[in-house]
This record gives sequence, structure tokens and C-alpha cells, in this order.
Amino acid sequence: DAGVIQSPRHEVTEMGQEVTLRCKPISGHDYLFWYRQTMMRGLELLIYFNNNVPIDDSGMPEDRFSAKMPNASFSTLKIQPSEPRDSAVYFCASSPGQNFRNEKLFFGSGTQLSVL
Amino acid sequence: GDSVTQMEGPVTLSEEAFLTINCTYTATGYPSLFWYVQYPGEGLQLLLKATKADDKGSNKGFEATYRKETTSFHLEKGSVQVSDSAVYFCALIMNSGYSTLTFGKGTMLLVSP
Repeated sequence: DAGVIQSPRHEVTEMGQEVTLRCKPISGHDYLFWYRQTMMRGLELLIYFNNNVPIDDSGMPEDRFSAKMPNASFSTLKIQPSEPRDSAVYFCASSPGQNFRNEKLFFGSGTQLSVL
Repeated sequence: GDSVTQMEGPVTLSEEAFLTINCTYTATGYPSLFWYVQYPGEGLQLLLKATKADDKGSNKGFEATYRKETTSFHLEKGSVQVSDSAVYFCALIMNSGYSTLTFGKGTMLLVSP
């Protein structure tokens, strides 16, 4: 299996532009997570899906952020409009089941976002 | 709420030195505890875990023991290698209810030859 695939690896954009981050989870995994990593706040859970349905989006910082999972093999995280404080590494992760105590998370390599 | 506190980095060691990265947690119940590792340019990957008090997780020469009395899960390795240079994350998940992983902020380890 190719693992969790994220694109792009790096994104540089200007403030106010729309940014779309993409994720392909591991086939057969029912859970998909979006995390944001910054020096100041560490690793924060933004939202997660079960069987393509958003379960908990309480970590989404504000209405500028939205996430979708139109099918089992694809998810997007969109920021519109983007701001410099959104600069971070965004990780997608997937898991085969809901027993997270025994099922490990598989992470993608992340998208390094820089908003100028 | 539940939280994880890790020692701040970077931790800088010479090859073959002994490693300890401290991790303590705050939780309302009895969590499972994990260490994830992030190598440069990659995503996190599970290193080891322990699901109940006094359990010891181990992998690749790393060990951590679940200490309920001190609410700690310190990561140790007897002899580090340059290839161990990475960021290490301590995390927990509650053993009851339906919850997701809570991560610490991560500790960077730099090992020099």
C-alpha cells in the first residue's frame, strides 16, 4: 500500500487566496483525520470523518476553514481566504477502525503551507 | 480536559548516549499512552504504546513504562544513534468512551556522531 498520500507537499500563497489541501487515505480505512502542526500549538486535531461523514469539527479554527470527504478515497481541506497565521504543516491521517486505543494512526507526509 | 506535557527540546546528544524524554499527562480516567516519532520530512508513525498501568511498551530499542502513580510515560533508550534524530510525540487516548488521540507538543532529538 502506498500509505496516506497528501498533495501538494509545499504550498506558498498570498494572503486572501484560497488554498486547497488534498488527501488520499489508505484503502479500507474508515477514519480520516486532519491535523495542523505549529511550533506554538503543537499538533492540533481539526476535524475527523467516519465513513465520509464529519464526526467532530470542533477543532476547526473558524469559518474560513472547511473540509469535505466526497468519497472513501479522497478528502480536501480548504482555507478561504487564507491568512499568514494559517502557515503551518497540515497532516492527514487515517485509521482502520474506531478503537483508537488499538488501531494506530497512519500519517501522510504533510503539506507545508506558507501564507505571505 | 485531558492533556500531555513533554519536556521542551531540542535534546542534543552524542551517539551512544542514554536518552530520556519526559512525558506526563493529565486525564480524568485511565488512558492508553503512546509515543509517536516524526522523522524529517515525514508524517508521524507509532513507536510504542502501553494500555494500562505498569505496562512497558518497547520498539527499536526504545522503552516507556506507564506509571499511574506519577502520571508519566517517559521515553528511554540506552544508546542513541544518529538515525534516531527526529521529533518525538507523547500522546494519550481515554480507555472509556469515544475519544481521539491527544498529543503533546513534541520534543526534538538531535544526535551527533
